[in-house]
Amino acid sequence: AQSVSQHNHHVILSEAASLELGCNYSYGGTVNLFWYVQYPGQHLQLLLKYFSGDPLVKGIKGFEAEFIKSKFSFNLRKPSVQWSDTAEYFCAVAGTYKYIFGTGTRLKVLA
Amino acid sequence: DTGVSQNPRHKITKRGQNVTFRCDPISEHNRLYWYRQTLGQGPEFLTYFQNEAQLEKSRLLSDRFSAERPKGSFSTLEIQRTEQGDSAMYLCASSLGGESYNEQFFGPGTRLTVL
Repeated sequence: AQSVSQHNHHVILSEAASLELGCNYSYGGTVNLFWYVQYPGQHLQLLLKYFSGDPLVKGIKGFEAEFIKSKFSFNLRKPSVQWSDTAEYFCAVAGTYKYIFGTGTRLKVLA
Repeated sequence: DTGVSQNPRHKITKRGQNVTFRCDPISEHNRLYWYRQTLGQGPEFLTYFQNEAQLEKSRLLSDRFSAERPKGSFSTLEIQRTEQGDSAMYLCASSLGGESYNEQFFGPGTRLTVL
């Protein structure tokens, strides 16, 4: 069955701390992976995506993610978080056309 | 604003009533998706249109749910005889056709509360 697991449901960090959010997927076909972010009161926005090539992908606002095929993982990282990164983060894998989302990780960054 | 729009943004209804939501996708996008999101969960796929054709429906979409995209532009999602378990955020997204990795652009959602 196709699925996405996000291990951390709630993360609290201080500003300037490093961030890593875990994402593992189960999908049998060609893997296309995404991280979306939802800031408070706003709609889902794409942070970054991977579909082929360099397994280290860079997105907006200093975020990056690494696709590790052997571990079925696509973890999101940021070296130094800011208060404005407080949001909910969703990992997703693209099926034939629909996305399968993880349950999300709520990140709170303390100023 | 050229993004995906949804109306209404909020809907409160009594159990047993029918409700209809509208989604206007980005104009050049021929793919349109409906998702449902409940508290503490990620969005769950409901249904997908390519132009006016509804190509897949999730098992989550019971007989009380129906979606249309009559002219391949805007879409409506109707829920008949609403139940309290239907309370959720209903999200619409659109994308260009072609590859599955094309980015889906999401609307702000319609929050449904069934009393």
